[in-house]
Amino acid sequence: SAVISQKPSRDICQRGTSLTIQCQVDSQVTMMFWYRQQPGQSLTLIATANQGSEATYESGFVIDKFPISRPNLTFSTLTVSNMSPEDSSIYLCSVEAGPSSYNEQFFGPGTRLTVL
Amino acid sequence: ILNVEQSPQSLHVQEGDSTNFTCSFPSSNFYALHWYRWETAKSPEALFVMTLNGDEKKKGRISATLNTKEGYSYLYIKGSQPEDSATYLCALYTGTASKLTFGTGTRLQVTL
Repeated sequence: SAVISQKPSRDICQRGTSLTIQCQVDSQVTMMFWYRQQPGQSLTLIATANQGSEATYESGFVIDKFPISRPNLTFSTLTVSNMSPEDSSIYLCSVEAGPSSYNEQFFGPGTRLTVL
Repeated sequence: ILNVEQSPQSLHVQEGDSTNFTCSFPSSNFYALHWYRWETAKSPEALFVMTLNGDEKKKGRISATLNTKEGYSYLYIKGSQPEDSATYLCALYTGTASKLTFGTGTRLQVTL
């Protein structure tokens, strides 16, 4: 198993500002994932972050809006840029449980973001 | 775009009641199905990973079944307790690009 922490746990931000969310894992992992859940919606994958390479973004998500850093094998950040109320969501990071786990994920506790 | 549906959206039961909810998915895309429990302000926690048609898995009072031919899975909770209150998510794994497709979840509230 992996223990994942996120900072901040919640924040209230003004429209047009940016917020960086940090994700720390207690073990070295190759891939880290960033998800969001908008109110009433499914948990949706934003991007996959590999150490030493650029993140891979899912359809509908772009690097300018959600820049990701992955400086080492235990840490990643997601920035939500130029925020609007539509960015109000819970943002989670996760790691894969193992190579034979059918992509079972260990998740962080999430960052609850409200944009005014 | 894969469509993973869960029903009901929310459920309110009394302590001691047994309950179940459904996850539906396109059977042609199946590789594995995950169930997670997500309590407020906590991390989503993996409950089961199911891969075979007819699979039945159990953890304490919670169990799940899988029908890959018709594309559904049931999650059962026997004798619900207040600590079972959470959102239960299912997620489909299609074996491509390490991506899970989640349903919108079933929010369960168990009261005394």
